Amino acid sequence: GEDVEQSLFLSVREGDSSVINCTYTDSSSTYLYWYKQEPGAGLQLLTYIFSNMDMKQDQRLTVLLNKKDKHLSLRIADTQTGDSAIYFCAESNDYKLSFGAGTTVTVRA
Amino acid sequence: GAVVSQHPSWVICKSGTSVKIECRSLDFQATTMFWYRQFPKQSLMLMATSNEGSKATYEQGVEKDKFLINHASLTLSTLTVTSAHPEDSSFYICRLLAGSTDTQYFGPGTRLTVL
Repeated sequence: GEDVEQSLFLSVREGDSSVINCTYTDSSSTYLYWYKQEPGAGLQLLTYIFSNMDMKQDQRLTVLLNKKDKHLSLRIADTQTGDSAIYFCAESNDYKLSFGAGTTVTVRA
Repeated sequence: GAVVSQHPSWVICKSGTSVKIECRSLDFQATTMFWYRQFPKQSLMLMATSNEGSKATYEQGVEKDKFLINHASLTLSTLTVTSAHPEDSSFYICRLLAGSTDTQYFGPGTRLTVL
């Protein structure tokens, strides 16, 4: 089955950039996603990238995809305290999503 | 505003009782609905997939007689946890597709605690 892995924790200073990394194993993935989950809440879709792209930028968010290495990253520029949350990467190729375990991002002053 | 609602947002019940969780799309028709469960500090695990008017497809290891899914209409899906036990305590989240992969929404989740 599909396997998605990501680092569990990231601590970053306010104003710095955050980079969250993710690797996956399913070479037939068509879409890759980044979700944000705040405590006690559901998931919020942050951004997604189609597998034939290698980069996508959306305001403070930059997604990089290395399809050869099956590596996905999310960069958050000018990280703010409101960015503290759990970030999940996910991949899909048939409308089903396979999630990583989530990276807890803590923003310190 | 929210496009997907879940009700209740949290529920506490006694062991052995059944709990129904509703997932509604508020302003679109959901062709496919997914139910996930999330244990504390863990990722989301897909439980089942349902299309309107047909039986749900359950993932391996998920008991279909325990987790009853009814996709009654294009705007409503329900998940009933039958004879709930403390190990069923979890965060249950629905995800809805509106016909294309870039039009998907998650519900806000339902926190179930079984005493």
